[in-house]
Amino acid sequence: DTAVSQTPKYLVTQMGNDKSIKCEQNLGHDTMYWYKQDSKKFLKIMFSYNNKELIINETVPNRFSPKSPDKAHLNLHINSLELGDSAVYFCASSQKRSNEQFFGPGTRLTVL
Amino acid sequence: DAKTTQPTSMDCAEGRAANLPCNHSTISGNEYVYWYRQIHSQGPQYIIHGLKNNETNEMASLIITEDRKSSTLILPHATLRDTAVYYCIPRIRTQGGSEKLVFGKGTKLTVNP
Repeated sequence: DTAVSQTPKYLVTQMGNDKSIKCEQNLGHDTMYWYKQDSKKFLKIMFSYNNKELIINETVPNRFSPKSPDKAHLNLHINSLELGDSAVYFCASSQKRSNEQFFGPGTRLTVL
Repeated sequence: DAKTTQPTSMDCAEGRAANLPCNHSTISGNEYVYWYRQIHSQGPQYIIHGLKNNETNEMASLIITEDRKSSTLILPHATLRDTAVYYCIPRIRTQGGSEKLVFGKGTKLTVNP
């Protein structure tokens, strides 16, 4: 009955590789988000999609490309991974761009 | 964007009320105050939000001062599972009319047995 799920939970990879993180929500929400939490625990929004349309892009490098195949999914693809990309990535969803957001369990990405 | 100030950390005895303050003196008239928490190794969890009036739900109560420059989140009977980082977040709307959450450093609440 998980509301917002992410896969994988852990991802360890080498610098320069390309990887994807998947997110799915079964709440019927129309807006989904990606957040990044760095080693200092600061949590920052990266992207937001509403009805599969990009509505927030917070100056994230072009190497990060979100893709929303439908309202229930928002995947994050990262090209040419760098050491600084190591972080925990959280997916979230809400109804009608609300600030009442439901977060997934996070994906811990480690770039070696 | 309204700035917030929260204590870095607080302690509370299990079973007692935990009162978490937040200063948001630059909040604008139509900005709501949202509270979230993040338990270790989990995603943030929505708790409550309010504009002017005090609010209560099954998780907590939110007291907002009349001038709206500060608020207090109250966990009436704290349990060990309430140990988490608590974030006070004013509502922020982007130029495109979208909402986004801006997390500060929050308050690390430790509930002790």
